[in-house]
Amino acid sequence: KNQVEQSPQSLIILEGKNCTLQCNYTVSPFSNLRWYKQDTGRGPVSLTIMTFSENTKSNGRYTATLDADTKQSSLHITASQLSDSASYICVVSSNYGGATNKLIFGTGTLLAVQP
Amino acid sequence: DGGITQSPKYLFRKEGQNVTLSCEQNLNHDAMYWYRQDPGQGLRLIYYSQIVNDFQKGDIAEGYSVSREKKESFPLTVTSAQKNPTAFYLCASSIYGGGTRNNEQFFGPGTRLTVL
Repeated sequence: KNQVEQSPQSLIILEGKNCTLQCNYTVSPFSNLRWYKQDTGRGPVSLTIMTFSENTKSNGRYTATLDADTKQSSLHITASQLSDSASYICVVSSNYGGATNKLIFGTGTLLAVQP
Repeated sequence: DGGITQSPKYLFRKEGQNVTLSCEQNLNHDAMYWYRQDPGQGLRLIYYSQIVNDFQKGDIAEGYSVSREKKESFPLTVTSAQKNPTAFYLCASSIYGGGTRNNEQFFGPGTRLTVL
């Protein structure tokens, strides 16, 4: 069964600290993996995208890693800010060879950054 | 939110009533999608459309209906047949429905539907 599991479910950190969010997946065939940021009551916004051959991708203070062998990804946030408080969703795309990519969504990690 | 608008932001419905959620995009994207988000669950696909006048059922289509008469519009109707309609509904669009690495889906701001 295609699944995307994220941990921790929620996380509280102090402003300025770093944190790492985890994503494990059992999706096959694998096409790509994205991390989205979703502010409360808003739609998700893409942070990074990685394909099978990419190990790391950065977007400002966000750095995502991918280990396609172990089917694990992480999102590292450096020098956290209050505005980083949001839900972070890992999404794996599976291409069955046809015209449609199927997206499998994780349940997200809810991050709260406190002053 | 990337040129995708959803309205209304909040919607209240009495049991037994049908309601229609609006989704409009000005990105000239071919493909559009409707998702449902519930607490503690990942987004689930309701319906998607890869081109005008065509749409396909997603994983949880029962109790919902859609239309795609125009490229920029993909309204979702929540019918009285939907047993548990209270949720956060997200519309998305992508350049095309094909499976390439850059086929990113851009999401709208969402509509929160509450059944009273």
